[in-house]
Amino acid sequence: SQELEQSPQSLIVQEGKNLTINCTSSKTLYGLYWYKQKYGEGLIFLMMLQKGGEEKSHEKITAKLDEKKQQSSLHITASQPSHAGIYLCGAGFSGSYKYIFGTGTRLKVLA
Amino acid sequence: NAGVTQTPKFRVLKTGQSMTLLCAQDMNHEYMYWYRQDPGMGLRLIHYSVGEGTTAKGEVPDGYNVSRLKKQNFLLGLESAAPSQTSVYFCASTFLQGGFYEQYFGPGTRLTVT
Repeated sequence: SQELEQSPQSLIVQEGKNLTINCTSSKTLYGLYWYKQKYGEGLIFLMMLQKGGEEKSHEKITAKLDEKKQQSSLHITASQPSHAGIYLCGAGFSGSYKYIFGTGTRLKVLA
Repeated sequence: NAGVTQTPKFRVLKTGQSMTLLCAQDMNHEYMYWYRQDPGMGLRLIHYSVGEGTTAKGEVPDGYNVSRLKKQNFLLGLESAAPSQTSVYFCASTFLQGGFYEQYFGPGTRLTVT
């Protein structure tokens, strides 16, 4: 089955520190999303990557998709308490109508 | 535009009761999805639809039925609720495939089955 492995499962960092979350697939991705979810709330779209080697940034968050389109990383620079939440990667695969999501990374930022 | 809306937001059911969750989108999207989210399990696809009048099974379809009679609505039904169906349910929609587009999510429905 097509799966997305997301790591780490949880992360606690001090405010101001940088951090990276990874999302890995055993198959080539057609495209990949990153979403953020605040505890008990809905999903907030962050970024979408489709081209191998693509990199996008929004404020202090940068996401990259590797050349083989099997791994993506989400990097947060100078983390803030507002970055806390659950980060989910989701992906589509060529020829499939389905989207698969990782199990999520719970981020806590200590003030 | 309201985007993707879900009703109800919260519901408590007793084992064996039935209910229908409604998802509505006003973006003229072809594809609609129902997911459930459980702790440590991420989002799992229950059923999806690639157009009006069509539905298909996802990863965890057992115990659920769906209907897409109108393009803008996607209904998820629980005929006989079980405690294992306690979860947060999310609906999502996206454009017709041919590219890779953002999935738009609803705010979720928190369901508890006692």
